[in-house]
Amino acid sequence: KNQVEQSPQSLIILEGKNCTLQCNYTVSPFSNLRWYKQDTGRGPVSLTIMTFSENTKSNGRYTATLDADTKQSSLHITASQLSDSASYICVVSAYYDMRFGAGTRLTVKP
Amino acid sequence: GAVVSQHPSRVICKSGTSVKIECRSLDFQATTMFWYRQFPKQSLMLMATSNEGSKATYEQGVEKDKFLINHASLTLSTLTVTSAHPEDSSFYICSARSAGPSGKVEQFFGPGTRLTVL
Repeated sequence: KNQVEQSPQSLIILEGKNCTLQCNYTVSPFSNLRWYKQDTGRGPVSLTIMTFSENTKSNGRYTATLDADTKQSSLHITASQLSDSASYICVVSAYYDMRFGAGTRLTVKP
Repeated sequence: GAVVSQHPSRVICKSGTSVKIECRSLDFQATTMFWYRQFPKQSLMLMATSNEGSKATYEQGVEKDKFLINHASLTLSTLTVTSAHPEDSSFYICSARSAGPSGKVEQFFGPGTRLTVL
């Protein structure tokens, strides 16, 4: 069973709208949680990284939250743009062992 | 930010040939590099972990004799797919780990290599 579960699996929104992606994990012991953006046919690019003590981290229009007690994280995208269309992957690390979620495929339509 | 490059970006080869993929950390030294494989619409799957100067550690189910990994220096790791077959067609991504300026461990991904075996 995957230790990192992401939802929804896919999402379609209109340009300019906001959206929130979810990540639930059971990875233990917890070291950090990363959100990556992966464009089709490209390698993942880091958006945010949060440790146990951090509960929010922003990177431009991307804001990630972390609740280490409930083992949940979210990635909020504000004022979406066409270029936001990509897969967003949640990665949870137990020390140096990284566990990947299956990703959420986001499509932003004009 | 740190940059990881891969070469080639895409390769098409005949069944039975061997293909070498290079992964380089361009502006930092990476003691540990990782190789992933990603099939369409699926998540990255770790194939192996390589440490400079030592043998790679392969994940369960990954044939070490088929996927040869050489981590010859702190900035270069290579993955050779030997006797490639159509089922080896996939997107191969490398990743390099480093300690950032603050001492926080970071992991950076390469742009990936699309392998198509005919």
